[in-house]
Amino acid sequence: RKEVEQDPGPFNVPEGATVAFNCTYSNSASQSFFWYRQDCRKEPKLLMSVYSSGNEDGRFTAQLNRASQYISLLIRDSKLSDSATYLCVVLNNAGNMLTFGGGTRLMVKP
Amino acid sequence: DTGVSQNPRHKITKRGQNVTFRCDPISEHNRLYWYRQTLGQGPEFLTYFQNEAQLEKSRLLSDRFSAERPKGSFSTLEIQRTEQGDSAMYLCASSLQHTGELFFGEGSRLTVL
Repeated sequence: RKEVEQDPGPFNVPEGATVAFNCTYSNSASQSFFWYRQDCRKEPKLLMSVYSSGNEDGRFTAQLNRASQYISLLIRDSKLSDSATYLCVVLNNAGNMLTFGGGTRLMVKP
Repeated sequence: DTGVSQNPRHKITKRGQNVTFRCDPISEHNRLYWYRQTLGQGPEFLTYFQNEAQLEKSRLLSDRFSAERPKGSFSTLEIQRTEQGDSAMYLCASSLQHTGELFFGEGSRLTVL
């Protein structure tokens, strides 16, 4: 089993739609969690951290369920510019290694 | 530009040749990471440095791979006797300690013919 698993997609959604991605992780001792965004042929960039209480940044909401070991990302009112690959990332309990999932590809269409 | 810099950006080599990539991290970042990414996959951890010390090394990193960060600033990743399976994007990232935010360079794309 991979340490961090994501549905690769692609998720094809119309502009304005709400879309959600889930990610599961295997190490229950993992310390912190993040969503990164990677545009085609570009490097990954931090989108947002995921806090135990859940957190929101504009149209993006991230949630963590430690008991079930999954993380989610919700995007409301999708824009064409949201088209990208979203990478779920887990920081190990030693706080020194970030493990990336395989990514979920989102395509927002007019 | 004060971001993470990698070079060369592209390298095409024949099987069996050695290649070396260089990464210049953000200057105040003490952690430096190397990842490898192939098409349709997420970045896979290879190794990381805290200052000049190499603290973790993935099992993916065979003995043909070696990384250094001699003065705790720039780093090099060398691949000896390249194989076609080494073809990938090699990403370098840096960070401050105790943070999950990695700042990636644009990567060095390796093609082994």
